[in-house]
Amino acid sequence: DIQMTQSPSSVSASVGDRVTITCRASQGISSWLAWYQQKPGKAPKLLIYAASSLQSGVPSRFSGSGSGTDFTLTISSLQPEDFAAYYCQQANSFPVTFGQGTRLEIK
Amino acid sequence: QVQLQESGPGLVKPSQPLSLSCTVSGGSINSGDYYWTWIRQPPGKGLEWIGYIYSSGSTYYNPSLKSRVTISLDTSKNQFSLKLSSVTAADTAVYYCASYTTGTTYFDYWGQGTLVTVSS
Repeated sequence: DIQMTQSPSSVSASVGDRVTITCRASQGISSWLAWYQQKPGKAPKLLIYAASSLQSGVPSRFSGSGSGTDFTLTISSLQPEDFAAYYCQQANSFPVTFGQGTRLEIK
Repeated sequence: QVQLQESGPGLVKPSQPLSLSCTVSGGSINSGDYYWTWIRQPPGKGLEWIGYIYSSGSTYYNPSLKSRVTISLDTSKNQFSLKLSSVTAADTAVYYCASYTTGTTYFDYWGQGTLVTVSS
């Protein structure tokens, strides 16, 4: 299985801050990576697919980059509704695997 | 717009089977446009992919659960189902049904999730 490792596990930030979350795959996955946002008690929501493509309806302050083994999710200017958990997911091979998550908290 | 809704018991006894269904609306389970999947999340923990089924009936299961998992289609009800045998407390989780568009493996539609607790 491909292991996905996110860092940090949690981060505190303020509204308006720029935040970057990283995800590393245990082997190369080209650009087969997605990012999800999950709010408490809700299902995950697809934000970014193919490492850098923005899902329809997702605000442009979210962006993704990377290929191979190293990827980043950037939120350019945090809004109150962005405080949530974020997960990366590799789509290169089965079984599909997720990172352990990053909790984004209000400072 | 595809919509998914899980249903099934919220409490299962240890060693018993867990059975859940996912009703699909806004799309046909037979269409071939989507793969239909199950994902779970233990309380306070991360996401684990369980497996998928396609309209042809082909399946693929996570090797970590393969010996205990069956995913099936019920085309008459536009549903797909999960059966997990011989459950233990470690199977306590929120179970989500989700789908991804054929040709990708990005989960773009999700059900709201249903908590299944394994306890005597």
